Amino acid sequence: DIVMTQSPLSLPVTPGEPASISCKSSQSLLHTNKYIYLDWYLQKPGQSPQLLIYLASNRASGVPDRFSGSGSGTDFTLKISRVEAEDVGVYYCMQALQRPFAFGQGTKLEIK
Amino acid sequence: EVQLVESGGVLVQPGGSLRLSCSASGFVFGAYAMHWVRLAPGKGLEYVSAISSSGDKTYYAGSVEGRFTVSRDNFQNTLYLQMNSLRTEDTATYYCVKETLRQDQLRSGLDYWGQGTLVTVSS
Repeated sequence: DIVMTQSPLSLPVTPGEPASISCKSSQSLLHTNKYIYLDWYLQKPGQSPQLLIYLASNRASGVPDRFSGSGSGTDFTLKISRVEAEDVGVYYCMQALQRPFAFGQGTKLEIK
Repeated sequence: EVQLVESGGVLVQPGGSLRLSCSASGFVFGAYAMHWVRLAPGKGLEYVSAISSSGDKTYYAGSVEGRFTVSRDNFQNTLYLQMNSLRTEDTATYYCVKETLRQDQLRSGLDYWGQGTLVTVSS
């Protein structure tokens, strides 16, 4: 099974400052169709998780453009250009190349 | 409007069984793969199971394989998770999740999540 590893696990950020979360997979997530099967999700306090990014770099509907995803092969990054108070919560990467899918451990973003 | 409403979560003793249901509306249920994901207290999201749109293919995390069974009724627009031989470590909120496809048929993430149903396994 593919194992996902995120860092850091805790991320204190000052509002208006950028933030970056790393995610590494134990195997390449490159599909034979040339797309990368890596998603990013955010679970805000008291809410169900929500989709942010799919296929490594595509923003889901309604996601602000301050969120961006990048990476290839086994190394991926979620970047927030300017953190806002509403961005607090736990961020997860998830591999969707092989079933069963698998999540990273989660990165808790908090406001300083 | 897409809605996913889970039910069936209760307090159950170790070794017991439980069936979760997820009632879906607002989309063509039979056109999409569906998933179960759980969140245990103080832990991160854990992927549990998936079922293809037609129900002919199922997938399980190693931690539940052989104990849990996912199924669906595309006429009743309902997803199920049969949970047997429950353990204390199965205590979690269980989410029913829809997988989506773009117009070019590429998968485009798990786009709708239910509110979750709490399963507590304890004596």
